[in-house]
Amino acid sequence: DQQVKQNSPSLSVQEGRISILNCDYTNSMFDYFLWYKKYPAEGPTFLISISSIKDKNEDGRFTVFLNKSAKHLSLHIVPSQPGDSAVYFCAASGTGTASKLTFGTGTRLQVTL
Amino acid sequence: DTEVTQTPKHLVMGMTNKKSLKCEQHMGHRAMYWYKQKAKKPPELMFVYSYEKLSINESVPSRFSPECPNSSLLNLHLHALQPEDSALYLCASSPQRGVYNEQFFGPGTRLTVL
Repeated sequence: DQQVKQNSPSLSVQEGRISILNCDYTNSMFDYFLWYKKYPAEGPTFLISISSIKDKNEDGRFTVFLNKSAKHLSLHIVPSQPGDSAVYFCAASGTGTASKLTFGTGTRLQVTL
Repeated sequence: DTEVTQTPKHLVMGMTNKKSLKCEQHMGHRAMYWYKQKAKKPPELMFVYSYEKLSINESVPSRFSPECPNSSLLNLHLHALQPEDSALYLCASSPQRGVYNEQFFGPGTRLTVL
């Protein structure tokens, strides 16, 4: 039962353009969402988070949007840079989940020159 | 110090060996976690320690034995592992358990069981 889904396993974007990574969830108890970035042979690095009382959170080039009614969130990276090439995981937690993070399956982003 | 460190980086062990993975953080975090990650899969939670007490065990086989000697250290003792236990083992920490749970991960230990 995959409660957090990232339906695009990979995405290729040109340098300077916008990257949009999507994530869907099914558990209505989730009310806090996070994005992590992972390079090969390294642990995930926390990028940005959003609580369910907001619909947008911005940090530099990264913006996360949350649509609670659709149970959907997205990560926008503008402008995309080659160093952004990595696997991106969305994760969710919430009341009733014992504060566990549930991760999506990841999207591999490739930013090309 | 804003990082989580893990040793060793790589470990190869036989099915009869006993080994330990070590994790350390000096951020004053009171919650620490062990995850297992297989190739092309998301991290899967194994254990959660909160204030040095085990609070979550995700039905992990007893051949994995966690230990939290103090608030900065987390160990994972391994014994009689199977080849399917080969994976990247990640440690993470967060200020405390709770819904607003930004976990900070170490680089992982790549474990191979022969």
